[in-house]
Amino acid sequence: GQNIDQPTEMTATEGAIVQINCTYQTSGFNGLFWYQQHAGEAPTFLSYNVLDGLEEKGRFSSFLSRSKGYSYLLLKELQMKDSASYLCAVRDGDYKLSFGAGTTVTVRA
Amino acid sequence: ETGVTQTPRHLVMGMTNKKSLKCEQHLGHNAMYWYKQSAKKPLELMFVYNFKEQTENNSVPSRFSPECPNSSHLFLHLHTLQPEDSALYLCASSPGLGLASGELFFGEGSRLTVL
Repeated sequence: GQNIDQPTEMTATEGAIVQINCTYQTSGFNGLFWYQQHAGEAPTFLSYNVLDGLEEKGRFSSFLSRSKGYSYLLLKELQMKDSASYLCAVRDGDYKLSFGAGTTVTVRA
Repeated sequence: ETGVTQTPRHLVMGMTNKKSLKCEQHLGHNAMYWYKQSAKKPLELMFVYNFKEQTENNSVPSRFSPECPNSSHLFLHLHTLQPEDSALYLCASSPGLGLASGELFFGEGSRLTVL
């Protein structure tokens, strides 16, 4: 089966940096996704990594190491609106996404 | 607004009721999905349709019956559900499958409570 692990909860202060780690063991690998989900809202796409390295998109960056089965999402200059659940997902075939249980990030003033 | 609309947003039903969840996407996508999201658990893929044809049934109990009349609409028919079926049901779409799959676009979900 697929195994995707990420921390359950993280708390950080406004303006700070938070790094959400994700480790995976899947039968195949065809890309890793990060989604953001605010309470009561749809998950929205944040980033996609298929090659090793860092992808930067504004305040958010995502890193992938395929040999280590590891990714992280880096949130910089945290804002209150960044309080949400962050979902790590691995595409292990043509289209199937296997998700982690999500990391709830709480940003405090 | 993600381009994927789900109705109803909230549904309470008894175990003997029959109800349906509806999903509509305005993105011109060809693939549509049903996911189940329970508290503190990973999203579980239930069904996948591509060009109206079902390509995935992830061992879902028969009390959940999907219907995809066209590439823009997806239904989930519910009957004789159990309390453990209470969850958030998310619909998603993508441009296609395989190399054309891209990322998923999710609806806001239908929160189902089974009494």
